[in-house]
Amino acid sequence: DADVTQTPRNRITKTGKRIMLECSQTKGHDRMYWYRQDPGLGLQLIYYSFDVKDINKGEISDGYSVSRQAQAKFSLSLESAIPNQTALYFCATSFGGGGGDTQYFGPGTRLTVL
Amino acid sequence: TQLLEQSPQFLSIQEGENLTVYCNSSSVFSSLQWYRQEPGEGPVLLVTVVTGGEVKKLKRLTFQFGDARKDSSLHITAAQPGDTGLYLCVPYNQGGKLIFGQGTELSVKP
Repeated sequence: DADVTQTPRNRITKTGKRIMLECSQTKGHDRMYWYRQDPGLGLQLIYYSFDVKDINKGEISDGYSVSRQAQAKFSLSLESAIPNQTALYFCATSFGGGGGDTQYFGPGTRLTVL
Repeated sequence: TQLLEQSPQFLSIQEGENLTVYCNSSSVFSSLQWYRQEPGEGPVLLVTVVTGGEVKKLKRLTFQFGDARKDSSLHITAAQPGDTGLYLCVPYNQGGKLIFGQGTELSVKP
């Protein structure tokens, strides 16, 4: 079984709809992250959480919100989806040991907003 | 803000050729990681370099961290189609979050 899972894997929705992307991990890591990837723009950090009570904005948090329901679960919400949020979304986890903390990525969610 | 430049952005080569990808910055990093992302998947860590001047080898891939810890390179010898993917150099700072750039898209044709 995969250590980091994301649901759904693909989603097509309409402008204005509320969407939730979910991420679960079995690695026992405290740190979790949400990224979006657009062609030619690499990975951009949306939000990150270093433990259950810690939530931080990343580079591009506008239009997004997150919830850290438990150590193993970190969900990303688009309250009112718009077409320029069409992208590939990745969840990642890390141990937080410092000095080069390895991030483990989920398989991604491809979101299309019409 | 740490400015990181990775070059080239795109690279298309034939199987068997050698290539080098460069990662440069004006900032000093405590460490630097290289990830590879294959089409349809999330990035996977290849290596972490920590010490200035450090060289690490992973089969046909050679990673080097500059003496001043401001730059890094990835050299692939005799590239294979399986090397195709997006290569990302990612500096690590004390804040604990990684900033991913555009990366280098490598295509190795049979």
